[in-house]
Amino acid sequence: GAGVSQSPSNKVTEKGKDVELRCDPISGHTALYWYRQSLGQGLEFLIYFQGNSAPDKSGLPSDRFSAERTGGSVSTLTIQRTQQEDSAVYLCASSLGPSGPYEQYFGPGTRLTVT
Amino acid sequence: SQQGEEDPQALSIQEGENATMNCSYKTSINNLQWYRQNSGRGLVHLILIRSNEREKHSGRLRVTLDTSKKSSSLLITASRAADTASYFCATPGLDYTDKLIFGTGTRLQVFP
Repeated sequence: GAGVSQSPSNKVTEKGKDVELRCDPISGHTALYWYRQSLGQGLEFLIYFQGNSAPDKSGLPSDRFSAERTGGSVSTLTIQRTQQEDSAVYLCASSLGPSGPYEQYFGPGTRLTVT
Repeated sequence: SQQGEEDPQALSIQEGENATMNCSYKTSINNLQWYRQNSGRGLVHLILIRSNEREKHSGRLRVTLDTSKKSSSLLITASRAADTASYFCATPGLDYTDKLIFGTGTRLQVFP
């Protein structure tokens, strides 16, 4: 079946602009995660959804970052007033949940470049 | 930081040789996972080992877990050029949620 998809694959934006990143998880996966990967910080957890609720937002680096998930499926990560340090690859993953542990299936990522 | 560490940071070997990567972590865990990443994009799950397991095999992969030392190792036997990738260990968050805390990764280069 289809894997996790993310769009866009690449996004270049000017500092100060808002961006939206989309994740379409595997059908039937109730758990959804956002991570980001940058040269300086490695792979960092951002936020976890179980269904439409987000019981763990502890990884969001600032209040400029927000995410939502609707219908227990698609999720959108929004970054407001982007800064250069937001440049990274944003990865989405989904898994069967919550009674894990389960492997996570990752999307190909969105490479965000803030100029 | 909860993040684990892996060593070596980089490893270069010839096809046919074995590759061993080590992971150390900081907290009590109920499982540990290994992932592979090609070309800096999506990660692929390789193997999950639970805290009550000491060793697990999957094809050419062998993973060990020593919870007393808070360490794990990934062995790839008879390596191939296609194994060239970055390899990460990952452990659950402190509250045993399913979020993953990734190690720093090992970059493996396998030369034909």
